[in-house]
Amino acid sequence: RKEVEQDPGPFNVPEGATVAFNCTYSNSASQSFFWYRQDCRKEPKLLMSVYSSGNEDGRFTAQLNRASQYISLLIRDSKLSDSATYLCVVKPDTGRRALTFGSGTRLQVQP
Amino acid sequence: GAVVSQHPSRVICKSGTSVKIECRSLDFQATTMFWYRQFPKQSLMLMATSNEGSKATYEQGVEKDKFLINHASLTLSTLTVTSAHPEDSSFYICSARSLAVRGNEQFFGPGTRLTVL
Repeated sequence: RKEVEQDPGPFNVPEGATVAFNCTYSNSASQSFFWYRQDCRKEPKLLMSVYSSGNEDGRFTAQLNRASQYISLLIRDSKLSDSATYLCVVKPDTGRRALTFGSGTRLQVQP
Repeated sequence: GAVVSQHPSRVICKSGTSVKIECRSLDFQATTMFWYRQFPKQSLMLMATSNEGSKATYEQGVEKDKFLINHASLTLSTLTVTSAHPEDSSFYICSARSLAVRGNEQFFGPGTRLTVL
């Protein structure tokens, strides 16, 4: 089983739509969680951290359910510029603290 | 602040040649640098972790004699792909981290696209 699993998509949605991505992780040890965004042929960029209490940054809301080992990202009022691949990322809180990336969920926002 | 550069951005080489990729932290000193590889439509996979002045730690399945990592200073790490073959064609991305910069966040370079003919 992969450490971090995501639905690869693609998710094709119209502008203005609300879209949600899910991610599951297999290691129950103490870790931190993030969503990154990666545009085609570019490096990943940090979108937001994910906290147990849930957190919001503008149109983006992230949720973490430690009991179910499940992370989500909600994008409201989708823009064309939101088209990208969204990567679910896990980082252990001890050791080398290297990032483990999911394979990403591709979002295409249509005009 | 917290900018990481990579050079070259793109390289095309013949099979059997060696390719060196540089990763630099431009405005901070990187305690640790990571090297990732990403094949098309796949996730980034960690290849190795390097700390300045010490040997790199390689992930399982990554040949240390094929992927030579040198982390000679707090701002520079290099990855050399020795005797490259077509199956080494990939997107190589480095990241750098410093305990002193933004809560230990990792900052990514723009990546190097390697094509081996």
